[in-house]
Amino acid sequence: EDKVVQSPLSLVVHEGDTVTLNCSYEVTNFRSLLWYKQEKKAPTFLFMLTSSGIEKKSGRLSSILDKKELFSILNITATQTGDSAIYLCAAHGADGLTFGKGTHLIIQP
Amino acid sequence: DTAVSQTPKYLVTQMGNDKSIKCEQNLGHDTMYWYKQDSKKFLKIMFSYNNKELIINETVPNRFSPKSPDKAHLNLHINSLELGDSAVYFCASSQRTGGAEKLFFGSGTQLSVL
Repeated sequence: EDKVVQSPLSLVVHEGDTVTLNCSYEVTNFRSLLWYKQEKKAPTFLFMLTSSGIEKKSGRLSSILDKKELFSILNITATQTGDSAIYLCAAHGADGLTFGKGTHLIIQP
Repeated sequence: DTAVSQTPKYLVTQMGNDKSIKCEQNLGHDTMYWYKQDSKKFLKIMFSYNNKELIINETVPNRFSPKSPDKAHLNLHINSLELGDSAVYFCASSQRTGGAEKLFFGSGTQLSVL
């Protein structure tokens, strides 16, 4: 059975801090790894990674995939209160897309 | 224009009732999904469906059934609702391209069974 594990499950930091969210996966026939941000309602897409070592960047957010060690990280620099959300990692394998339980990130002013 | 839309946003009902949640996507995607998110925010797939294939998560009770009148719609019908069915249900769609796919989610339906 495909599995995705995220850590930490929750994280509280102050505005301006840098955070690193972790995601490890075990899936058969791995195709891609995705990061989503969920605020009040629907998860919204952040990144999709398919190759190791290539860092994806979007403003203050960046993500790297390590296909050898089967993990990905999501970095957020200079955090803002609007970054508060649940961050979901998902791995696409033979069973389709399997989600982790998410990291609940809280940014305090 | 909403890419993936589902209705209703909120659904409150009594145990034992039958209810449906509708989903429509205007992205031209070939695959649609239903996910259940429990109170701990764990998102778990229930069904994936395209014109050729319905894949059911074997842990989903057969009281849940997806119905797809056409490629742009995938509705979720639930029979004999139980308290444990209370959750947020998300519809999603994707276009499988080269083996990698990106899901677009609807805004969710919060189901409360009393």
